[in-house]
Amino acid sequence: EVQLLESGGGLVQRGGSLRLSCAASGFTFSNYAMSWVRQAPGKGLEWVSAISGRDGNAYYADSVKGRFTISRDNSKNTLYLEMNSLGAEDTAVFYCAKDAVVNGNYLYYFDHWGQGTLVTVFS
Amino acid sequence: QLVLTQSPSASASLGASVKLTCTLSSGHSSYAIAWHQQQPEKGPRYLMKLNSDGSHSKGDGIPDRFSGSSSGTERYLTISSLQSEDEADYYCQTWGTGIGVFGTGTKVTVL
Repeated sequence: EVQLLESGGGLVQRGGSLRLSCAASGFTFSNYAMSWVRQAPGKGLEWVSAISGRDGNAYYADSVKGRFTISRDNSKNTLYLEMNSLGAEDTAVFYCAKDAVVNGNYLYYFDHWGQGTLVTVFS
Repeated sequence: QLVLTQSPSASASLGASVKLTCTLSSGHSSYAIAWHQQQPEKGPRYLMKLNSDGSHSKGDGIPDRFSGSSSGTERYLTISSLQSEDEADYYCQTWGTGIGVFGTGTKVTVL
């Protein structure tokens, strides 16, 4: 059974930093791209960033480019999101999502989701 | 620019059917999409991948009541025999080279 467990969310001051983690199990982690998707309170889903399985190629939404860094440790089956220069607009639940396509070069679509971790940016 | 458009809301009676629409931006009629369901206070759940020819592949455990179809730039999700647990937000999602795109979501109310 595929499981994705996010952690690392919490309260952070505007301008601060936070690192999210997503522990994966139940599949061959290195074979799949992984993404972070966020949802601001009362809003829809927004794709944030993705990373390919083996090569570690990273992709970002314009809203986070230059502030967020996605990475993965295939030996630990863990996905990360380093977030810097956080602003109020970054307040959201952050979900980890597994790509459906094995050995894909980019991101495609998501066939498993975590339960999310809440990030709240305060001033 | 790759954009997905969804109506904000839809409703139908218990046991009836509802058809949701996700419209791809002009020039993207060949794109596949995925449908995801988000029940209140829960994380999203993958429903199906839907191709431009209407063929689709569903996620594990997704009931037969959920089906997909396509026409041009429109992608549809039909929920038959509506149940109370189908009351949720439904998002379509697609992808380009190195980008992910979500529709704005449709809130389904079961009357």
